[in-house]
Amino acid sequence: GEDVEQSLFLSVREGDSSVINCTYTDSSSTYLYWYKQEPGAGLQLLTYIFSNMDMKQDQRLTVLLNKKDKHLSLRIADTQTGDSAIYFCAESYGQNFVFGPGTRLSVLP
Amino acid sequence: DAGVIQSPRHEVTEMGQEVTLRCKPISGHNSLFWYRQTMMRGLELLIYFNNNVPIDDSGMPEDRFSAKMPNASFSTLKIQPSEPRDSAVYFCASSLTDRGAEAFFGQGTRLTVV
Repeated sequence: GEDVEQSLFLSVREGDSSVINCTYTDSSSTYLYWYKQEPGAGLQLLTYIFSNMDMKQDQRLTVLLNKKDKHLSLRIADTQTGDSAIYFCAESYGQNFVFGPGTRLSVLP
Repeated sequence: DAGVIQSPRHEVTEMGQEVTLRCKPISGHNSLFWYRQTMMRGLELLIYFNNNVPIDDSGMPEDRFSAKMPNASFSTLKIQPSEPRDSAVYFCASSLTDRGAEAFFGQGTRLTVV
Protein backbone atom coordinates (compact mmCIF):
# COMPACT_ATOMS: atom_id res chain seq x y z
CA GLY A 1 0.00 0.00 0.00
CA GLU A 2 0.91 3.64 0.00
CA ASP A 3 3.52 4.70 2.50
CA VAL A 4 4.71 8.00 3.91
CA GLU A 5 7.93 8.15 5.92
CA GLN A 6 9.41 10.78 8.20
CA SER A 7 12.17 10.96 10.75
CA LEU A 8 10.66 10.75 14.21
CA PHE A 9 12.52 13.45 16.12
CA LEU A 10 14.11 16.84 15.50
CA SER A 11 15.61 19.29 17.98
CA VAL A 12 16.52 22.86 17.13
CA ARG A 13 17.49 25.99 19.03
CA GLU A 14 15.04 28.85 19.26
CA GLY A 15 15.61 31.27 16.39
CA ASP A 16 17.17 28.65 14.10
CA SER A 17 15.45 27.17 11.07
CA SER A 18 13.83 23.73 11.26
CA VAL A 19 13.62 21.41 8.30
CA ILE A 20 11.31 18.43 8.50
CA ASN A 21 11.58 15.87 5.72
CA CYS A 22 9.12 13.38 4.29
CA THR A 23 9.14 10.78 1.54
CA TYR A 24 6.08 9.26 -0.06
CA THR A 25 5.41 6.46 -2.50
CA ASP A 26 2.32 7.37 -4.51
CA SER A 27 3.48 9.24 -7.59
CA SER A 28 -0.12 10.03 -8.48
CA SER A 29 -0.73 12.05 -5.33
CA THR A 30 -2.21 15.35 -6.33
CA TYR A 31 -1.90 17.16 -3.03
CA LEU A 32 0.57 16.85 -0.18
CA TYR A 33 -0.09 18.27 3.24
CA TRP A 34 1.64 19.28 6.44
CA TYR A 35 -0.36 18.97 9.65
CA LYS A 36 0.63 20.12 13.14
CA GLN A 37 -0.46 18.41 16.35
CA GLU A 38 -0.01 20.21 19.64
CA PRO A 39 -0.19 18.27 22.93
CA GLY A 40 -3.68 17.08 23.73
CA ALA A 41 -5.13 18.34 20.47
CA GLY A 42 -6.14 17.02 17.09
CA LEU A 43 -4.22 17.58 13.89
CA GLN A 44 -4.51 20.95 12.19
CA LEU A 45 -3.59 21.70 8.62
CA LEU A 46 -0.56 23.97 8.36
CA THR A 47 -0.15 24.14 4.64
CA TYR A 48 -0.45 22.06 1.50
CA ILE A 49 1.10 21.97 -1.94
CA PHE A 50 -0.27 20.95 -5.29
CA SER A 51 1.89 18.36 -7.02
CA ASN A 52 2.70 20.53 -10.01
CA MET A 53 4.40 23.08 -7.75
CA ASP A 54 8.00 22.98 -6.56
CA MET A 55 7.71 25.41 -3.73
CA LYS A 56 5.16 27.22 -1.63
CA GLN A 57 5.87 29.91 0.92
CA ASP A 58 3.53 31.08 3.64
CA GLN A 59 5.07 33.49 6.14
CA ARG A 60 7.63 31.48 8.15
CA LEU A 61 6.77 28.24 6.38
CA THR A 62 8.36 27.05 3.14
CA VAL A 63 7.32 23.78 1.51
CA LEU A 64 9.62 22.22 -1.06
CA LEU A 65 8.51 19.37 -3.30
CA ASN A 66 10.83 17.17 -5.33
CA LYS A 67 8.39 15.09 -7.31
CA LYS A 68 11.08 13.05 -9.03
CA ASP A 69 12.45 11.85 -5.70
CA LYS A 70 9.01 11.89 -4.01
CA HIS A 71 10.46 14.08 -1.30
CA LEU A 72 8.64 16.81 0.59
CA SER A 73 10.10 19.15 3.17
CA LEU A 74 8.78 21.78 5.54
CA ARG A 75 11.07 24.58 6.60
CA ILE A 76 10.14 26.74 9.57
CA ALA A 77 12.14 29.94 9.74
CA ASP A 78 12.98 31.56 13.10
CA THR A 79 11.63 28.60 15.04
CA GLN A 80 9.85 29.54 18.26
CA THR A 81 9.00 27.52 21.37
CA GLY A 82 5.37 27.59 20.23
CA ASP A 83 6.39 25.56 17.20
CA SER A 84 7.13 22.56 19.44
CA ALA A 85 4.69 19.92 18.26
CA ILE A 86 4.39 16.81 16.12
CA TYR A 87 4.36 17.49 12.39
CA PHE A 88 2.67 15.05 10.04
CA CYS A 89 3.23 14.79 6.33
CA ALA A 90 0.24 13.42 4.39
CA GLU A 91 -0.66 12.65 0.82
CA SER A 92 -4.07 12.47 -0.75
CA TYR A 93 -4.86 9.04 -2.10
CA GLY A 94 -8.20 8.82 -3.82
CA GLN A 95 -10.79 9.75 -1.23
CA ASN A 96 -8.36 8.94 1.55
CA PHE A 97 -5.36 10.53 3.18
CA VAL A 98 -2.18 8.65 4.06
CA PHE A 99 -0.27 10.10 7.00
CA GLY A 100 3.36 9.69 7.95
CA PRO A 101 4.33 8.72 11.50
CA GLY A 102 4.96 12.33 12.51
CA THR A 103 8.12 14.20 13.45
CA ARG A 104 8.32 15.47 17.01
CA LEU A 105 9.93 18.91 16.92
CA SER A 106 11.51 20.12 20.13
CA VAL A 107 12.59 23.74 20.32
CA LEU A 108 15.33 24.40 22.85
CA PRO A 109 15.71 27.84 24.46
CA ASP B 1 -19.44 25.63 12.19
CA ALA B 2 -18.01 24.27 15.44
CA GLY B 3 -15.72 21.85 13.65
CA VAL B 4 -15.64 18.09 14.13
CA ILE B 5 -17.10 17.24 17.51
CA GLN B 6 -16.16 14.10 19.36
CA SER B 7 -17.50 12.75 22.61
CA PRO B 8 -16.53 11.89 25.19
CA ARG B 9 -13.16 13.63 25.45
CA HIS B 10 -11.97 11.07 27.97
CA GLU B 11 -13.22 7.58 28.71
CA VAL B 12 -11.96 5.19 31.35
CA THR B 13 -13.49 1.75 31.34
CA GLU B 14 -12.84 -1.72 32.65
CA MET B 15 -11.65 -4.52 30.45
CA GLY B 16 -14.56 -6.37 28.91
CA GLN B 17 -16.91 -3.42 28.86
CA GLU B 18 -18.44 -1.98 25.72
CA VAL B 19 -17.18 1.44 24.65
CA THR B 20 -18.89 3.75 22.17
CA LEU B 21 -17.15 6.78 20.75
CA ARG B 22 -19.15 9.42 18.92
CA CYS B 23 -18.43 11.87 16.17
CA LYS B 24 -20.29 14.71 14.51
CA PRO B 25 -18.58 15.74 11.27
CA ILE B 26 -18.60 19.22 9.81
CA SER B 27 -21.89 19.92 8.08
CA GLY B 28 -21.63 19.33 4.33
CA HIS B 29 -18.57 17.11 4.52
CA ASN B 30 -19.15 13.79 2.83
CA SER B 31 -16.10 11.83 3.97
CA LEU B 32 -15.52 10.72 7.55
CA PHE B 33 -12.46 9.01 8.98
CA TRP B 34 -11.71 7.23 12.24
CA TYR B 35 -8.06 7.15 13.35
CA ARG B 36 -6.30 5.66 16.34
CA GLN B 37 -3.11 7.21 17.71
CA THR B 38 -0.66 5.47 20.02
CA MET B 39 2.96 6.10 20.87
CA MET B 40 3.96 2.74 19.45
CA ARG B 41 2.11 2.80 16.15
CA GLY B 42 1.49 6.47 15.51
CA LEU B 43 -1.64 7.47 13.58
CA GLU B 44 -3.54 4.54 12.09
CA LEU B 45 -6.57 4.78 9.85
CA LEU B 46 -9.26 2.43 11.12
CA ILE B 47 -12.09 3.05 8.68
CA TYR B 48 -13.48 5.73 6.43
CA PHE B 49 -16.91 6.47 5.05
CA ASN B 50 -17.97 8.34 1.95
CA ASN B 51 -21.59 9.51 1.77
CA ASN B 52 -22.29 7.39 4.87
CA VAL B 53 -21.04 4.20 3.20
CA PRO B 54 -17.98 2.40 4.61
CA ILE B 55 -15.34 2.43 1.88
CA ASP B 56 -12.32 0.89 3.53
CA ASP B 57 -12.36 -0.86 6.89
CA SER B 58 -9.13 -2.76 6.42
CA GLY B 59 -7.59 -0.86 9.30
CA MET B 60 -10.11 -2.10 11.84
CA PRO B 61 -7.97 -4.28 14.07
CA GLU B 62 -10.45 -7.00 15.04
CA ASP B 63 -14.08 -8.00 15.03
CA ARG B 64 -14.34 -6.34 18.42
CA PHE B 65 -14.31 -3.02 16.56
CA SER B 66 -17.28 -1.79 14.58
CA ALA B 67 -18.23 1.57 13.11
CA LYS B 68 -21.49 2.96 11.82
CA MET B 69 -22.63 6.08 10.10
CA PRO B 70 -26.43 6.10 10.18
CA ASN B 71 -26.66 9.58 8.69
CA ALA B 72 -24.49 12.37 7.38
CA SER B 73 -24.16 14.07 10.75
CA PHE B 74 -23.26 11.22 13.09
CA SER B 75 -20.89 8.29 13.37
CA THR B 76 -19.98 5.85 16.12
CA LEU B 77 -17.01 3.62 16.77
CA LYS B 78 -17.76 0.75 19.11
CA ILE B 79 -15.38 -1.61 20.87
CA GLN B 80 -16.94 -4.69 22.42
CA PRO B 81 -15.42 -6.15 24.51
CA SER B 82 -12.68 -3.62 25.25
CA GLU B 83 -9.14 -4.66 26.16
CA PRO B 84 -6.24 -2.75 27.75
CA ARG B 85 -4.38 -2.71 24.41
CA ASP B 86 -7.21 -0.63 22.97
CA SER B 87 -6.07 2.28 25.11
CA ALA B 88 -5.27 5.11 22.72
CA VAL B 89 -6.51 8.44 21.44
CA TYR B 90 -9.21 8.00 18.82
CA PHE B 91 -9.67 10.78 16.30
CA CYS B 92 -12.51 11.44 13.96
CA ALA B 93 -11.94 13.60 10.89
CA SER B 94 -14.13 14.78 8.05
CA SER B 95 -13.55 16.30 4.66
CA LEU B 96 -15.11 17.12 1.35
CA THR B 97 -14.15 14.75 -1.41
CA ASP B 98 -13.07 17.58 -3.65
CA ARG B 99 -9.48 17.31 -4.80
CA GLY B 100 -7.20 19.11 -2.43
CA ALA B 101 -9.74 19.25 0.36
CA GLU B 102 -8.14 18.96 3.74
CA ALA B 103 -9.21 16.67 6.54
CA PHE B 104 -10.48 18.47 9.66
CA PHE B 105 -9.83 16.65 12.89
CA GLY B 106 -11.77 16.51 16.11
CA GLN B 107 -10.08 16.92 19.47
CA GLY B 108 -9.99 13.18 19.98
CA THR B 109 -11.24 10.78 22.64
CA ARG B 110 -8.61 9.49 25.04
CA LEU B 111 -9.61 5.93 25.90
CA THR B 112 -8.10 4.10 28.85
CA VAL B 113 -9.04 0.48 29.41
CA VAL B 114 -8.00 -0.85 32.81
